[in-house]
Amino acid sequence: EAGVAQSPRYKIIEKRQSVAFWCNPISGHATLYWYQQILGQGPKLLIQFQNNGVVDDSQLPKDRFSAERLKGVDSTLKIQPAKLEDSAVYLCASSLALYRGSRYEQYFGPGTRLTVT
Amino acid sequence: AQTVTQSQPEMSVQEAETVTLSCTYDTSESDYYLFWYKQPPSRQMILVIRQEAYKQQNATENRFSVNFQKAAKSFSLKISDSQLGDAAMYFCAYRSGGATNKLIFGTGTLLAVQP
Repeated sequence: EAGVAQSPRYKIIEKRQSVAFWCNPISGHATLYWYQQILGQGPKLLIQFQNNGVVDDSQLPKDRFSAERLKGVDSTLKIQPAKLEDSAVYLCASSLALYRGSRYEQYFGPGTRLTVT
Repeated sequence: AQTVTQSQPEMSVQEAETVTLSCTYDTSESDYYLFWYKQPPSRQMILVIRQEAYKQQNATENRFSVNFQKAAKSFSLKISDSQLGDAAMYFCAYRSGGATNKLIFGTGTLLAVQP
């Protein structure tokens, strides 16, 4: 079974530029998550999708960050314009469903390391 | 709001020895799950072990086991017979028993394994 795929693995941009990250979840997984992991910290949830609908985007800086999952499969996370403090690893994860129960564990991708200069 | 605290930024263990990583959490919920994730330099988060709050028995997975103290809100990870491949960042995480499935992570403990 293929895991969660993310691209690119690394990205370096200047502040005020825009950037987009792509995620392809495990086949059949209805729920998709984007996390931001700043150096020295644990991952923080940015947004969570159930199929193509948003479940939780309470910690997404909506003035500059946007995300979509149009067909309920792949997802794109965009930052426009980027700030220095956006430098982080962006992790994508997926799970079978969004229901009660620990068997619906989250599987993580390898992440994208973003450096904003 | 729920919080997860890992008070050990770094730990070191000799190969084949045992090490315990600490984690405390704060919640007012009665239904929740706790996890330990491993993040090697490749950055991919790997689930090590999970614990359901309603279960009194401590979870075990091969060389990994937990000490779950619900009243004290403590959830430590014990790694027995440490191997070089165990070297990584370890994160403790909390998930509510509700429908959001949102994971709340601690700040991590960097484990070094000495040969």
